[in-house]
Amino acid sequence: EVQLVESGGGLVQPGRSLKLSCTTSGFTFGDYAMSWIRQAPGKGLEWVAFIRNKAYGGTTEYAASVRDRFTISRDDSKSIATLEMNSLKTEDTALYYCARVDLLVWFGEMYYFDHWGQGSLVTVSS
Amino acid sequence: EFVLTQSPGTLSLSPGDRATLSCRASQSVGSRFLAWYQQKAGQAPRLLIYGDSSRATGIPDRFSGSGSGTDFTLTISRLEPEDFAVYYCQHYGWSRWTFGQGTKVEIK
Repeated sequence: EVQLVESGGGLVQPGRSLKLSCTTSGFTFGDYAMSWIRQAPGKGLEWVAFIRNKAYGGTTEYAASVRDRFTISRDDSKSIATLEMNSLKTEDTALYYCARVDLLVWFGEMYYFDHWGQGSLVTVSS
Repeated sequence: EFVLTQSPGTLSLSPGDRATLSCRASQSVGSRFLAWYQQKAGQAPRLLIYGDSSRATGIPDRFSGSGSGTDFTLTISRLEPEDFAVYYCQHYGWSRWTFGQGTKVEIK
């Protein structure tokens, strides 16, 4: 059974840092890309960050709202994905989901989120 | 800026009804770049449809996706009590993922 468990959330002051972890099991972590998606209280879903697996270069992508502040990484030996968040703002307050990313390939490619964790709440407030 | 607009915002229906949810892209996105997710209150989203029309593993065949270009549809042929939830469409393109704002399907 595929499982993703987020941890590391909490209350933090604006301008400070926080690191989220996504511990996975039930699949070969190194075969998949991973991503973080967030949901502000009472709002919709917002994609945050993405990291390809090593076979596709391990490259990263970020939403404009977090680029240069957030860093996604992966440790294939531990099956963990991490989101380091710096210079946090009140608007970063959200439930942060970790998701496994699968890939549909034809003459193009489409990445989609096929398994999700239960989320880790990050509250940025003074 | 690329935007996905879902309509209606809320759909009030009864169990057994057919639900038709719309997702419109602000520019043509071709085919196979759209997914749909279901989110129940207090739960994580669940993948329903990917590649416009392919059902995810374990998803009942009452859920179907269709469309191309700018207009996409999620259809639930006969609503079951467990289908009342919020539904999001999602596009992948240009190394970005964009979600619609969601459609809530509520019990009438």
